[in-house]
Amino acid sequence: QKEVEQNSGPLSVPEGAIASLNCTYSDRGSQSFFWYRQYSGKSPELIMFIYSNGDKEDGRFTAQLNKASQYVSLLIRDSQPSDSATYLCAVANDMRFGAGTRLTVKP
Amino acid sequence: NAGVTQTPKFRILKIGQSMTLQCTQDMNHNYMYWYRQDPGMGLKLIYYSVGAGITDKGEVPNGYNVSRSTTEDFPLRLELAAPSQTSVYFCASSYSGYTFGSGTRLTVV
Repeated sequence: QKEVEQNSGPLSVPEGAIASLNCTYSDRGSQSFFWYRQYSGKSPELIMFIYSNGDKEDGRFTAQLNKASQYVSLLIRDSQPSDSATYLCAVANDMRFGAGTRLTVKP
Repeated sequence: NAGVTQTPKFRILKIGQSMTLQCTQDMNHNYMYWYRQDPGMGLKLIYYSVGAGITDKGEVPNGYNVSRSTTEDFPLRLELAAPSQTSVYFCASSYSGYTFGSGTRLTVV
């Protein structure tokens, strides 16, 4: 059974801090990964796509991939209250999503 | 460019009724998907399609059927609705990353 695991949270950080979200996956053959943000009552929206080991940066977001350890993480720098949402990790080739981590950024 | 359009947005069904959730995309994506999301849970794959005429089961296909006669349309059919099918249903298409529709909130009573 292929699994995508995320800490369900909730994760609470103060405004301006770095939020760190983690995801592990069981299929060692997985190649590419997505991070999605989902506001309450809305559909998921794509934040980042990563397929190479190492870091990928896009604005305040950095995705990190370590295939040897089978984890992918998302860092949000200078967290804002508008970042409060559930963050979903997805393994592209498995079409599987983690259960999501709920992030709250407190002003 | 509308992206992925789902209808209806809300529906209440009685146990044993049937319905079709509609999904249309205008991005010419070959890959399309149906997911369900229960409260506080992640997305579970119901069915997916890699192109017109080709469909396959996902993680939770029981109680559902799909068809893909065109690239644009990927309807999801619920036969004999059960309370366990109360959920939010998302249709998505992908090229490099999933684009989701706005969802259908279904309640079976």
